[in-house]
Amino acid sequence: EDQVTQSPEALRLQEGESSSLNCSYTVSGLRGLFWYRQDPGKGPEFLFTLYSAGEEKEKERLKATLTKKESFLHITAPKPEDSATYLCAVVNTDKLIFGTGTRLQVFP
Amino acid sequence: EPEVTQTPSHQVTQMGQEVILRCVPISNHLYFYWYRQILGQKVEFLVSFYNNEISEKSEIFDDQFSVERPDGSNFTLKIRSTKLEDSAMYFCASSLNRDRKYSNQPQHFGDGTRLSIL
Repeated sequence: EDQVTQSPEALRLQEGESSSLNCSYTVSGLRGLFWYRQDPGKGPEFLFTLYSAGEEKEKERLKATLTKKESFLHITAPKPEDSATYLCAVVNTDKLIFGTGTRLQVFP
Repeated sequence: EPEVTQTPSHQVTQMGQEVILRCVPISNHLYFYWYRQILGQKVEFLVSFYNNEISEKSEIFDDQFSVERPDGSNFTLKIRSTKLEDSAMYFCASSLNRDRKYSNQPQHFGDGTRLSIL
């Protein structure tokens, strides 16, 4: 059965303190791994798509990487506005299978 | 930037009543989806829709649920007889296309409709 596990569940960082979020997955034939950001009361906002092991994508302070079993979302020198829940999802035929997310809080 | 819009933002309904949730996907997108998120839980897939028919549905999407694209812009989710456990945030999403063989384009989500069943 396809599955996505994210860790940690919650992460508190001081502004400027870099860290990484983990997404482990099992899927029969990876056709895409997606990272989303979700703010309270809002829908998931698309960040990155990764399709094959070794691929990396960057956007501002965020960098996503992919191996055959997991993906990492690296946050460099975070700011308070980076506070949100970060969701990882893999695609199986039509549907996205989401993890439970990592709730990130960045304090000034 | 184009976005998916959903209405209403909050719907309160008595148990057993019918409810229709509405979505306007991004205009050039071809694939449409509904997901739900019960408070504190994962986002869960309900149904996907392409070329005016359901392409995949989950076990949650039983006979009480239906989807429709009544015109060129709207995409609706109907729950015929709501239950308490249908209370959740319902998200609509759309994607441009999907290469069946190799990869999938990202799905873009609306901000959801919070459905509260009393």
